[in-house]
Amino acid sequence: NAGVMQNPRHLVRRRGQEARLRCSPMKGHSHVYWYRQLPEEGLKFMVYLQKENIIDESGMPKERFSAEFPKEGPSILRIQQVVRGDSAAYFCASSPPSMVNTEAFFGQGTRLTVV
Amino acid sequence: TQLLEQSPQFLSIQEGENLTVYCNSSSVFSSLQWYRQEPGEGPVLLVTVVTGGEVKKLKRLTFQFGDARKDSSLHITAAQPGDTGLYLCAGYRGSTLGRLYFGRGTQLTVWP
Repeated sequence: NAGVMQNPRHLVRRRGQEARLRCSPMKGHSHVYWYRQLPEEGLKFMVYLQKENIIDESGMPKERFSAEFPKEGPSILRIQQVVRGDSAAYFCASSPPSMVNTEAFFGQGTRLTVV
Repeated sequence: TQLLEQSPQFLSIQEGENLTVYCNSSSVFSSLQWYRQEPGEGPVLLVTVVTGGEVKKLKRLTFQFGDARKDSSLHITAAQPGDTGLYLCAGYRGSTLGRLYFGRGTQLTVWP
């Protein structure tokens, strides 16, 4: 059973470009979460999605950031007009419906570098 | 402010020693998780504790959830170099669905 798959593993973008981060959850997991990890900080919650629904986006910046989890295909975290401060590791996690608020399994992350 | 405070932030010990990492909060959590993260990788779930006072053992690792469900500890017996890594505690609160709150982590280095 494959784990949570994220791609790309590393992404370099120039200031002002767009970054698209993809996450395929574990098989049978319909709940997806995105977290950001900055140097010297812990992981911070960004957004919680179910298929075609955003459940909680309170941790996501209001501007330039958006997330989706379509009926078919991976979840996408999109950052428009990236700035240096967006450089971080972005992690996706997933859980089955029965394990929401009990366990989440993380992918290997996408390291975004803005130059 | 961090909802979960981990201590110590760094721990450097010799192989064979015992150690304890603490995770404290003034808030109640419905469950707590411990993860281990290697450089360049994602967090890997080690254990979930749900019941206040619960103790779980995973080989040389012992995890405890406080009676009031506000704190947790991770104890490693006879540490080995392979235990080196970043240990993260994280928890769910009953008031928010799906959102994990993380501590900043304890960086453990075990020297041969």
